[in-house]
Amino acid sequence: AQSVSQHNHHVILSEAASLELGCNYSYGGTVNLFWYVQYPGQHLQLLLKYFSGDPLVKGIKGFEAEFIKSKFSFNLRKPSVQWSDTAEYFCAVTTLLMNYGGSQGNLIFGKGTKLSVKP
Amino acid sequence: DTGVSQDPRHKITKRGQNVTFRCDPISEHNRLYWYRQTLGQGPEFLTYFQNEAQLEKSRLLSDRFSAERPKGSFSTLEIQRTEQGDSAMYLCASARTGLFNEAFFGQGTRLTVV
Repeated sequence: AQSVSQHNHHVILSEAASLELGCNYSYGGTVNLFWYVQYPGQHLQLLLKYFSGDPLVKGIKGFEAEFIKSKFSFNLRKPSVQWSDTAEYFCAVTTLLMNYGGSQGNLIFGKGTKLSVKP
Repeated sequence: DTGVSQDPRHKITKRGQNVTFRCDPISEHNRLYWYRQTLGQGPEFLTYFQNEAQLEKSRLLSDRFSAERPKGSFSTLEIQRTEQGDSAMYLCASARTGLFNEAFFGQGTRLTVV
């Protein structure tokens, strides 16, 4: 079964610092990859997604992520964080079900990384 | 999209009681997921449906948990004989079937078992 590992439990940065959150998954087949964000008191929202093509994907609010297939990684980056980026970030992976026409299987999440940005 | 709707938002129940939660997905989304989330953890997969078919159920899910999606629209998650360890946020998400579609989440139902 696939699994997702997020290396950092809690990251504390000052505004304008650069951010990189690690994500590794374990699955040998074709995957779709996601980063979701959960702001305090709000529901999970999609930041960005990777399905195929250019391994560097750009999402909302200046976030980007790079898919490195050989490392089974999908790290999230932002060059300069803002106080409003304080939130919890979740990496997720879904596999493709070949017996269902290649549609997506279940969606598995990592444990999350809490980001605190000091003003 | 009107968003994924979950009801109730909060539920407090006594240990041993049964509870049922409802999820209304975004219309025309035929994929529906249930997750459980506890403090400091990521969403833990429980089960998911494609239309009315339950395609997968987590091996971690005890027999006290059951989910249905009878007409391929809304879904219910029932927990029988609740235990204190069932206290968590229960999340529902929906998605269009297909290769390139992300899941959209509801606000969740927070269950407290006392």
